[in-house]
Amino acid sequence: DVKVTQSSRYLVKRTGEKVFLECVQDMDHENMFWYRQDPGLGLRLIYFSYDVKMKEKGDIPEGYSVSREKKERFSLILESASTNQTSMYLCASSFPGLAGEDGELFFGEGSRLTVL
Amino acid sequence: LAKTTQPISMDSYEGQEVNITCSHNNIATNDYITWYQQFPSQGPRFIIQGYKTKVTNEVASLFIPADRKSSTLSLPRVSLSDTAVYYCLVGDIADTGRRALTFGSGTRLQVQP
Repeated sequence: DVKVTQSSRYLVKRTGEKVFLECVQDMDHENMFWYRQDPGLGLRLIYFSYDVKMKEKGDIPEGYSVSREKKERFSLILESASTNQTSMYLCASSFPGLAGEDGELFFGEGSRLTVL
Repeated sequence: LAKTTQPISMDSYEGQEVNITCSHNNIATNDYITWYQQFPSQGPRFIIQGYKTKVTNEVASLFIPADRKSSTLSLPRVSLSDTAVYYCLVGDIADTGRRALTFGSGTRLQVQP
């Protein structure tokens, strides 16, 4: 059974703290993604990665960085957390699709971060 | 930027067929159209994907007209458990030429008894 595991379901941090959100997939997927979800805004792409040590900015990368040292692990880093980063964070992975066909995304259960 | 437009919400009753239409006027030649379903406190899950005409699986049907500028997700005989948010996605080209998927705000479907 496919599995995307996010390290923490709930986190509470203080403004200015450094925050690490970890995501691990056991499906040998090349692609990994980080989204954030906020009421009324749907899911917004923060960063994605198509290979180890490779990263691409999504729609809202400001205030975030990522790390992909191993194929199965994709980390989202908030260098200095701010209150506007309070959100639900969702990690996903997929195989690369065939020509034009996007691989199915498999999501983790999410990490709800509150920044005080 | 999201490339799709969907209704914000829809209401239905158990046993009815529900059709959710998505507009994607700027769809690229190589883009596929994919629909996801999300329940509260869970990540989205894949429902169906298509390129043109009609695709059907055990859960839903997807209708795509010849110009591909819109698509319609059809859920036959919905039940209370189909209450969820439904997202329409098309492939997106990042600056480097790589592909990434962009979600819009989705359609919140409420099924009443």
